[in-house]
Amino acid sequence: GAVVSQHPSWVICKSGTSVKIECRSLDFQATTMFWYRQFPKQSLMLMATSNEGSKATYEQGVEKDKFLINHASLTLSTLTVTSAHPEDSSFYICSAREQGADGYTFGSGTRLTVV
Amino acid sequence: GENVEQHPSTLSVQEGDSAVIKCTYSDSASNYFPWYKQELGKGPQLIIDIRSNVGEKKDQRIAVTLNKTAKHFSLHITETQPEDSAVYFCAASIREGGKLIFGQGTELSVKP
Repeated sequence: GAVVSQHPSWVICKSGTSVKIECRSLDFQATTMFWYRQFPKQSLMLMATSNEGSKATYEQGVEKDKFLINHASLTLSTLTVTSAHPEDSSFYICSAREQGADGYTFGSGTRLTVV
Repeated sequence: GENVEQHPSTLSVQEGDSAVIKCTYSDSASNYFPWYKQELGKGPQLIIDIRSNVGEKKDQRIAVTLNKTAKHFSLHITETQPEDSAVYFCAASIREGGKLIFGQGTELSVKP
């Protein structure tokens, strides 16, 4: 079945630094990828939708200059949290969908802790 | 935009009993309704899904029903086992390949 690999699985960074999270579709081409953020004991909140070769579409309230998304190829999307602050600490999850296929495949998530 | 409401937020059952989780959605244009199981510290895993042209779908101990008129869909787990304990999320999508909107989640606990 479709597999999405997300790295790193966890990261700790200092306030003010930037962190990059990678999301790769391993055995299919993902024309669309989605990035979610999940706080403890809460649901997944969609941050943005990224389409290969074009700018990401951000949900209302998500700062596009803070959460940079790049979808340069059909198998890779990256989320960069810039100038991270403790309130950015969260579980970030990507998902991908193969064109024409049913369902969305989720990555294993990245636990970001900003200290 | 689409809004998905999920109930209950927590559910505790005895092993072997059935568990039912319910969701309602707001946008009648929604046409794809997946259910995910999420274990602690992991990403969601699809367990079953249903499209708007189908009223019910079953996969072994898991079934999903959809009532388009009432705009609600439900997850049914029969013969529950301790390993079914996890957080379950429903979701809805308006169009093919469009964004998924998630419900609030249900923490299911199956007691041996």
